[in-house]
Amino acid sequence: ETGVTQTPRHLVMGMTNKKSLKCEQHLGHNAMYWYKQSAKKPLELMFVYSLEERVENNSVPSRFSPECPNSSHLFLHLHTLQPEDSALYLCASSSRSASGTYEQYFGPGTRLTVT
Amino acid sequence: GNSVTQMEGPVTLSEEAFLTINCTYTATGYPSLFWYVQYPGEGLQLLLKATKADDKGSNKGFEATYRKETTSFHLEKGSVQVSDSAVYFCALTNTGNQFYFGTGTSLTVIP
Repeated sequence: ETGVTQTPRHLVMGMTNKKSLKCEQHLGHNAMYWYKQSAKKPLELMFVYSLEERVENNSVPSRFSPECPNSSHLFLHLHTLQPEDSALYLCASSSRSASGTYEQYFGPGTRLTVT
Repeated sequence: GNSVTQMEGPVTLSEEAFLTINCTYTATGYPSLFWYVQYPGEGLQLLLKATKADDKGSNKGFEATYRKETTSFHLEKGSVQVSDSAVYFCALTNTGNQFYFGTGTSLTVIP
């Protein structure tokens, strides 16, 4: 596997279910991100982890719970979601390159539908 | 604060037409600038970047020049193809932990 992978690619869940999204990066990066992408809305940053410490939490409802057990893995635990949480959830990773610049790489996303 | 503004879409062009998608930014200091592309059903892919004033990023026939005097990073391609149909996002980072994205511009290229 190369780059950033996400599983599952598609998920349908009821409002009372509990599920988890998984992200893995194979790039040796030290920061990981969760974004939410809804139709006709800007990309929303949800969480940022740097060196496994959460550094950003943008007023995300508590029904979304991130977990970063190590620098290569990131999870998003979901429970009692609402239909408006249906969206594409994108994971990304970044690191500082040898030239001193940062680049962010994205996974393919998980398409979540809440029924 | 930091922000990115890009032109509203959707943009529809005929094959082989010239493409410009405007992007302007507000940032403190000297940000790095990026263009990402998102094809249907996929995540965002890094298309090109520029890290300092007057740098030109280029990839797959696309180009963008970092203009500090006009705080712009417009995306251009001389001859678009049907396969270029996608959503294009302009973005910047100052700190490396926080990336700021524009709202995206949808491009459709018709044969």
